[in-house]
Amino acid sequence: GAGVSQSPSNKVTEKGKDVELRCDPISGHTALYWYRQSLGQGLEFLIYFQGNSAPDKSGLPSDRFSAERTGGSVSTLTIQRTQQEDSAVYLCASSGVSAGIGYTFGSGTRLTVV
Amino acid sequence: KQEVTQIPAALSVPEGENLVLNCSFTDSAIYNLQWFRQDPGKGLTSLLLIQSSQREQTSGRLNASLDKSSGRSTLYIAASQPGDSATYLCAVLGNQGGKLIFGQGTELSVKP
Repeated sequence: GAGVSQSPSNKVTEKGKDVELRCDPISGHTALYWYRQSLGQGLEFLIYFQGNSAPDKSGLPSDRFSAERTGGSVSTLTIQRTQQEDSAVYLCASSGVSAGIGYTFGSGTRLTVV
Repeated sequence: KQEVTQIPAALSVPEGENLVLNCSFTDSAIYNLQWFRQDPGKGLTSLLLIQSSQREQTSGRLNASLDKSSGRSTLYIAASQPGDSATYLCAVLGNQGGKLIFGQGTELSVKP
């Protein structure tokens, strides 16, 4: 597609429920990144994919968080047993084979856990 | 471990002023540096990308410079407008690739 697409744009869920966030990167972009931005905070790195593998998942806050990428394209970030502190905007970005062309970000998914 | 710092955290200027936003990073072994803009409640929009071999990049009223050896970058905005009001984020990519490391951002307000 023309840009990085994230869905849903907004998600309200009850504490304890599981949620899935989706990212559809720019066609042909091999690298995909997930970041989290809490209210008034900076961007917190979560996980990075190169193709379907995740060389760096050091930012996942706990084992309740997982992510996968299939076909070198769409990625899903899953949060199990959501907690109120998981409330944040989850941003996805992609970049091409050459990191020199920079990252393109999606508009994010705003997750609210009530 | 790479750390990125942006100063000031917030800036308020009258319309028409030229202004400079600062970004510093602790590890000079970077592949590139990117400036982003974020409007309230929105995602990030890429403004300028500077490769490690470059000294500056320009786009319209924006000019970004890079001094890799001193670990600094500046974003210069000429003739500021109220529509420039947003948070400006600086991010670096290390030579090993992987993730962008972000600064905390500078929140800019341009008053009419």
